[in-house]
Formats: sequence, structure tokens, C-alpha cells
Amino acid sequence: AQSVAQPEDQVNVAEGNPLTVKCTYSVSGNPYLFWYVQYPNRGLQFLLKYITGDNLVKGSYGFEAEFNKSQTSFHLKKPSALVSDSALYFCAVRDSYDGTASKLTFGTGTRLQVTL
Amino acid sequence: EAGVVQSPRYKIIEKKQPVAFWCNPISGHNTLYWYRQNLGQGPELLIRYENEEAVDDSQLPKDRFSAERLKGVDSTLKIQPAELGDSAVYLCASSFKGTGVRGELFFGEGSRLTVL
Repeated sequence: AQSVAQPEDQVNVAEGNPLTVKCTYSVSGNPYLFWYVQYPNRGLQFLLKYITGDNLVKGSYGFEAEFNKSQTSFHLKKPSALVSDSALYFCAVRDSYDGTASKLTFGTGTRLQVTL
Repeated sequence: EAGVVQSPRYKIIEKKQPVAFWCNPISGHNTLYWYRQNLGQGPELLIRYENEEAVDDSQLPKDRFSAERLKGVDSTLKIQPAELGDSAVYLCASSFKGTGVRGELFFGEGSRLTVL
């Protein structure tokens, strides 16, 4: 069975400081990894994904994430946080050996709060 | 380009009453998903359609939940009768089959159900 852990319910950071939102995963094969963001009263929006290749992937709004196979992690990062980045962030994983697109497993989410 | 459209945005009903949610996916997306998001949790897949065929409904509580996508476009998710534990946000998502396999889904804003 595949799973995702987001160990922090909330991350607080001052505007202009770097931010990291943590994610670890468990799959039996190779992982496909994703980050989605959810703003208040809005649906989830795709941020970025790792399928294969370069371990550092860049996504929307200046976010990036680093795939670390040995640590089974896929932490979301941004060099300089903005107040507008405040939202709920979800990490998700799919086993590449799983033939069905539907087995996308989400974490419980991490609320990012960026303050002035 | 219009996104995934869901209605109603909010619904409050008494337990044992029926409720239905409607979803119109992005034009051309042949894959449609219904997810349920409980408070403080990540989305969990209920059912996935490829065109009009339900290809994964293993997580759908079939005693009270039903879904249809008659013409391979719009979809309806029904609960009858609703229970207190059904209170959640019901998210619809769509994708092209290719991006769906890679996990990039486009979500609607969700339908928040409160069962009293």
C-alpha cells in the first residue's frame, strides 16, 4: 500500500524568508510525486510533479521540490515566501507500477502561514 | 478556458435526506474523478470514470452512494440516505488520460455538505 506523511500540521514563516513544507512517502515501486495547493474555499491546484529525471523540480509560483530517494522525501521549498502563499498544501504519491491513474494518495495537508 | 464546475457549493440537509452533486469537467477531459475530503484530511478517491465507464469505484460506499456519467461528460454523485458522517467536501476533478496517469488533475471548487 502506498502512503504519504506530512508531519507538520502548520508551518509559520515570515515574508521574505525561505520556506519548507515536508513530505515523506511510501510505495512499493518507483514513486510519482506531486504537490497541490488549496486556497480558502477553492479547489486543489496542481503545483508541481516529479516523475523521473532531475531530482529538483520547479513548479508554479516560484515553488520547487526536491526528490530524495534515500530519505523517501519530497519536500516543497520556496526561497522567499509571500503572504499570498498562505494556503493548505497537499503532497500526493502514486506508485509508478500501479496501472490505474486513480491511485493517487494524498497526505493530510500542511497549512502554511506567511506573516509580514 | 473554463475550469471544472461543481454545484451546489454548499448544501445543508437533515440526516436520512437525499442529496446530489453535479460536476461539469473541463472540455475534452475524458477522465473524471469524485473525491471526498473530510475536515483536516486529504482527499480520498470515491470513483473514477474513463468516459462513461466507472473503472474504479472500490472506495464508493455502494449502499448509499451512487454516481453516473451518462454521456461521458457531466457527472452526478448522489447520497441516499445521508448520514451524519457524510459531512465533507465533495471534490470533482478531471484530466486527459495522459496527464491523469501522470497525476495532474484539475479540481473544481468542491461541494460542502453538512448533514444535521
